[in-house]
Amino acid sequence: QVQLVQSGAEVKKPGASVKVSCKASGYTFTSHGFSWVRQAPGQGLEWMGWISTYNGDTNYAQEFQGRVTMTTDTSTNTAYMELRTLRSDDTAVYYCARDVDPFADWGQGTLVTVSS
Amino acid sequence: DIVMTQTPLSSPVTLGQPASISCRSSQSLVHSDGNTYLSWLQQRPGQPPRLLIYKISNRFSGVPDRFSGSGAGTDFTLKISRVEAEDVGVYYCMQSTQFPYTFGRGTKLEIK
Repeated sequence: QVQLVQSGAEVKKPGASVKVSCKASGYTFTSHGFSWVRQAPGQGLEWMGWISTYNGDTNYAQEFQGRVTMTTDTSTNTAYMELRTLRSDDTAVYYCARDVDPFADWGQGTLVTVSS
Repeated sequence: DIVMTQTPLSSPVTLGQPASISCRSSQSLVHSDGNTYLSWLQQRPGQPPRLLIYKISNRFSGVPDRFSGSGAGTDFTLKISRVEAEDVGVYYCMQSTQFPYTFGRGTKLEIK
């Protein structure tokens, strides 16, 4: 069955960067792209962007343009999301989601805490 | 960006009774390919979201048939025919017709 396993929780200082990974298994990795979605504590879902696993094309939400980079590694079936210049309001759970149906499959989430 | 407006934001429901959530988009969600990419997701406390309904009315694998979706254009509805205790959580509508994908603010379903 399809599994998306994300990297563990991170604590970062303001101004630092974080890179979250999402390792996929159970299907052909290049068949569907990934979206990244975040959820601040007690808040709703916020779409950050999308990446094609076929050719690496990306589409980022305006709010994150210039601060986020999404990549994939087809040799390890892993998607990555890097967010730079972290602020306290970037504290959230970050999810990867396979973009089929869409969002048929989700990672378990990675808590990123930004605190001085 | 397409704005997704959900109502109500909170819905107390009696077990065994029906529930309904509305979602309105700020513009038509009909894609140039003819499909309407409106989905409903459920998020139980402490869990990742889970896809319930895609393309307005298609129930995802494993989703009980008490969940149904309907609508067209800019107005959509999720209905639960008989609410069960396991249905407690937050429900989100989402559009993936065009980038940026956008979510509604969520509707919290709770038991009276």
